[in-house]
Amino acid sequence: QSALTQPASVSGSPGQSITISCTGTRRDIGTYNLVSWYQQHPGKAPKVMIYEGDQRPSGVSNRFSGSKSGNTASLTISGLQAEDEADYYCCSYTGDITPFVFGTGTKVTVL
Amino acid sequence: QIQLVQSGAEVKKPGSSVKVSCKASGGTFSNYGISWVRQAPGQGLEWMGGIIPIFGTVNYAQKFQGRVTITADESATTAYMELSSLRPEDTAVFYCARVYRNWFEPWGQGILITVSS
Repeated sequence: QSALTQPASVSGSPGQSITISCTGTRRDIGTYNLVSWYQQHPGKAPKVMIYEGDQRPSGVSNRFSGSKSGNTASLTISGLQAEDEADYYCCSYTGDITPFVFGTGTKVTVL
Repeated sequence: QIQLVQSGAEVKKPGSSVKVSCKASGGTFSNYGISWVRQAPGQGLEWMGGIIPIFGTVNYAQKFQGRVTITADESATTAYMELSSLRPEDTAVFYCARVYRNWFEPWGQGILITVSS
């Protein structure tokens, strides 16, 4: 099971919107709408921002939203803020012997 | 609120094994799964395997099959991950995380395992 593909970096100015893509295959993202997104600040543990494609956990800002089209999932951060600068990882359920696969990770920079 | 607290950092020699723990507090330990995730320095997250104590089922990523053993002690509400035949490239932070349906939350604080001669 290969890692899901994410852009290495995405940047935006405060207040702007950015979108991070996460490309898999029909065996993971394409079949299951079970993608979760994690935010990780340096030296910290990851934190879930989106689960099951487009669901936001309690306490997560509504500036974060998730979607999916075909084999690609996306995370959009609107109204970009300095605190959003972090690494972001997608993760998909695969229904396979290895049931979870993470993305390669994207570094978000707030200019 | 479920919290996961992991054991401390370790330094190991190549070829040796390491066993780390992840103690859960709050919630019902047996009712949910615990997964282990590796993060090498400057690298991404990698799912290693997981256990669902109530069913006694364990899954391992193919990459780690044969080298990793994940167990759980329900009475101690603690999960364990043992990695054998350590090599320098295994140097990483290892996280445990609760699996709720199909996502991971919360996560433990992470354990740095350094493999060096």
